[in-house]
Amino acid sequence: GAGVSQTPSNKVTEKGKYVELRCDPISGHTALYWYRQSLGQGPEFLIYFQGTGAADDSGLPNDRFFAVRPEGSVSTLKIQRTERGDSAVYLCASSSRLAGVGEQYFGPGTRLTVT
Amino acid sequence: GQQLNQSPQSMFIQEGEDVSMNCTSSSIFNTWLWYKQDPGEGPVLLIALYKAGELTSNGRLTAQFGITRKDSFLNISASIPSDVGIYFCAGRTPPQGGSEKLVFGKGMKLTVNP
Repeated sequence: GAGVSQTPSNKVTEKGKYVELRCDPISGHTALYWYRQSLGQGPEFLIYFQGTGAADDSGLPNDRFFAVRPEGSVSTLKIQRTERGDSAVYLCASSSRLAGVGEQYFGPGTRLTVT
Repeated sequence: GQQLNQSPQSMFIQEGEDVSMNCTSSSIFNTWLWYKQDPGEGPVLLIALYKAGELTSNGRLTAQFGITRKDSFLNISASIPSDVGIYFCAGRTPPQGGSEKLVFGKGMKLTVNP
């Protein structure tokens, strides 16, 4: 069956530009998460959606970061006025309560490089 | 952001050897998970633990949820070359406003020499 997919797999952008990263969760999963992983580190939580609403956005580093999930399936992470420090792998995960609490399944990530 | 204390940071072992790694936290978790990540891929779930004291196996992998709910360990027995990768522990915080975010360790890089 199809897992979590993310596009693009790689994104190179110039400092100051706007980027959008897309996540397609596993079909039927109501919960969706975004994490950011810097080199040599574990993933760090950004935002969590339950359905269409952001249930927890406490991990977003500042107001340049925003995410939406308008129909409760696909989600887009949006970064405005990108900075070199935003360079990282952005991971998306989804879960279903039927699969057991905490069992989040990750996509392959989008590697963002800000030059 | 918060991260768990995971050790060791790396290990070099011979094929066939066993390896252990552990994770500690200053906070209580009600779920512990262990993931493996290969280069260019997302983390893949290996084992999930839901109760303090729980010991769970998945093939050659065994993991335990510490009694204090602040630690967990993972053992890999009879290592093989495909065990190479980065292993992460993750804890799920008790729900606060419905959030089920995971907190991750920094990872343990495993190298297996054939």
